[in-house]
Amino acid sequence: EAGVTQFPSHSVIEKGQTVTLRCDPISGHDNLYWYRRVMGKEIKFLLHFVKESKQDESGMPNNRFLAERTGGTYSTLKVQPAELEDSGVYFCASSQDGQKWETQYFGPGTRLLVL
Amino acid sequence: RKEVEQDPGPFNVPEGATVAFNCTYSNSASQSFFWYRQDCRKEPKLLMSVYSSGNEDGRFTAQLNRASQYISLLIRDSKLSDSATYLCVPSGGYNKLIFGAGTRLAVHP
Repeated sequence: EAGVTQFPSHSVIEKGQTVTLRCDPISGHDNLYWYRRVMGKEIKFLLHFVKESKQDESGMPNNRFLAERTGGTYSTLKVQPAELEDSGVYFCASSQDGQKWETQYFGPGTRLLVL
Repeated sequence: RKEVEQDPGPFNVPEGATVAFNCTYSNSASQSFFWYRQDCRKEPKLLMSVYSSGNEDGRFTAQLNRASQYISLLIRDSKLSDSATYLCVPSGGYNKLIFGAGTRLAVHP
């Protein structure tokens, strides 16, 4: 069974540009999460989708970040315009039912560098 | 104050050693608890869940003390392949995960 996949694996952009990250969860997983790790910090939660609905977006840093999950399958996370402090590793995770002891499976991450 | 506090290490131990990691968490409403393992430049992977009664999985034993908001991980008979960063992860609302910064373990021959 394929795991969580993310695209691109790396992205280098200039400040002010737009970048869109994509996550394909494990097939059949209704729950999709975005996390990120900025340099020197711990991994932080961004938001959680249940199917196509946003269950919790309390971790989104500001309105430059827009996440979508149209059709409840893959998700995109767009940063527009990107700032230097957005550099980091963006992880996507998925789980089947969203129950409290359920494993969240992580993708390999997208490494974003904003210059 | 951080939501999850962990000793960053590194813990440098020889093969075969027993090593223990601890963490404390601040959210008393956390419902579930995990240890994740992260290898260099890789994604986090679940090592084990941590139940109130304590649980064991081979060489790994995890303990939870809800009253003290304290979680521990014990690794017995360390292997070279155990070298990684160990992340203490309680849950938050809607099952989001709250990560500690991790404890680095280096097992040497």
